[in-house]
Amino acid sequence: AQSVTQLDSQVPVFEEAPVELRCNYSSSVSVYLFWYVQYPNQGLQLLLKYLSGSTLVKGINGFEAEFNKSQTSFHLRKPSVHISDTAEYFCAVSALYSSASKIIFGSGTRLSIRP
Amino acid sequence: KAGVTQTPRYLIKTRGQQVTLSCSPISGHRSVSWYQQTPGQGLQFLFEYFSETQRNKGNFPGRFSGRQFSNSRSEMNVSTLELGDSALYLCASSSGEGLASGNTIYFGEGSWLTVV
Repeated sequence: AQSVTQLDSQVPVFEEAPVELRCNYSSSVSVYLFWYVQYPNQGLQLLLKYLSGSTLVKGINGFEAEFNKSQTSFHLRKPSVHISDTAEYFCAVSALYSSASKIIFGSGTRLSIRP
Repeated sequence: KAGVTQTPRYLIKTRGQQVTLSCSPISGHRSVSWYQQTPGQGLQFLFEYFSETQRNKGNFPGRFSGRQFSNSRSEMNVSTLELGDSALYLCASSSGEGLASGNTIYFGEGSWLTVV
């Protein structure tokens, strides 16, 4: 079975400061990893995903994440945040090569940007 | 290319009633999945349909059901509504083999259900 843990429910950051949103997962099989963003009153939008290959993944809006297999982590980072990054961020995992695959989401991290 | 469309966007139902929500996936996508989002439980997977077949189901009671039509449009139904079913229900579609292949999931804006 898979599980995803986002340790921080809220992260307040000043504008133009760097940010890291943490995500840890557990799984008995290889997984795909995702970060989604949800702006107020909207659905989710994919920021980036890791399927295989390079462990550093770059996504939209200047975000990037690093897959660390030994630490079972997939932390999301941005070197300089903007007010427009205020949103809720979800880490997710789905199993590799499973016809019965489903996707498990973390509980979300609310990123609030202070001017 | 039109995105994932969900209808209705907002609805209010009474306990004990049933509700049907509709989802039109992105053209060409055969995988449709449904999710429930609540403040307490977060975002939870309900089920995935692929080519009219339910592939997998999350941990929800049998009151939650769905189906997919030959044009990939999908509906989900909740019978005997309870107060705790109040939530944002999100539909998503994916190309290729859907969730099993790690393809990007594209979400609709959701249907807000309030049960009173």
